Amino acid sequence: AQTVTQSQPEMSVQEAETVTLSCTYDTSESDYYLFWYKQPPSRQMILVIRQEAYKQQNATENRFSVNFQKAAKSFSLKISDSQLGDAAMYFCAYRSPTGTASKLTFGTGTRLQVTL
Amino acid sequence: GAGVSQSPSNKVTEKGKDVELRCDPISGHTALYWYRQSLGQGLEFLIYFQGNSAPDKSGLPSDRFSAERTGGSVSTLTIQRTQQEDSAVYLCASSSKNGYEQYFGPGTRLTVT
Repeated sequence: AQTVTQSQPEMSVQEAETVTLSCTYDTSESDYYLFWYKQPPSRQMILVIRQEAYKQQNATENRFSVNFQKAAKSFSLKISDSQLGDAAMYFCAYRSPTGTASKLTFGTGTRLQVTL
Repeated sequence: GAGVSQSPSNKVTEKGKDVELRCDPISGHTALYWYRQSLGQGLEFLIYFQGNSAPDKSGLPSDRFSAERTGGSVSTLTIQRTQQEDSAVYLCASSSKNGYEQYFGPGTRLTVT
């Protein structure tokens, strides 16, 4: 079974600065998908960024980018130019390829605070 | 377009009562998932439906939990004889047949007193 570990329960960053959230996972599969979701106080889970394991290039979405290290089974999220609206819980998630077990396996989350 | 909707938004029930939670997926999405988020925890998979295939019930924590999906659209998660440990946020998500992105609803916060 796959597991996802987020070792930072809480992180804090100043507005306009850069922060990196860590995520490691364990799997015996060679192909899979990784995601970062944001959950603000509204509870709505919002997809931030995704990475296909077969792609060597790190995914980027505006101020959000990942550092995907397949051999190390590491998938960190970098948030640049942090904004107050980035404050939320961030969850790392793993998914097997479509057609097999399609559930998401989540880490326990990192609470990000953004300060002025 | 409309996203995933869930009702009720909040539900308070007495221990031992049955509850039903509803999820309305994005139109056209064939896959529907239920997750549970206990206080301070990550999301725990409960069950998923994919088209007309038999659902994957591997995450249901006990036989007090069941779910159905009628007409390939709306789903209802039923918890019988609720216990205090059932208190959590129940999240529903849907995805298209070949899509690997899941779109989540706002969740139902269940409180068992």
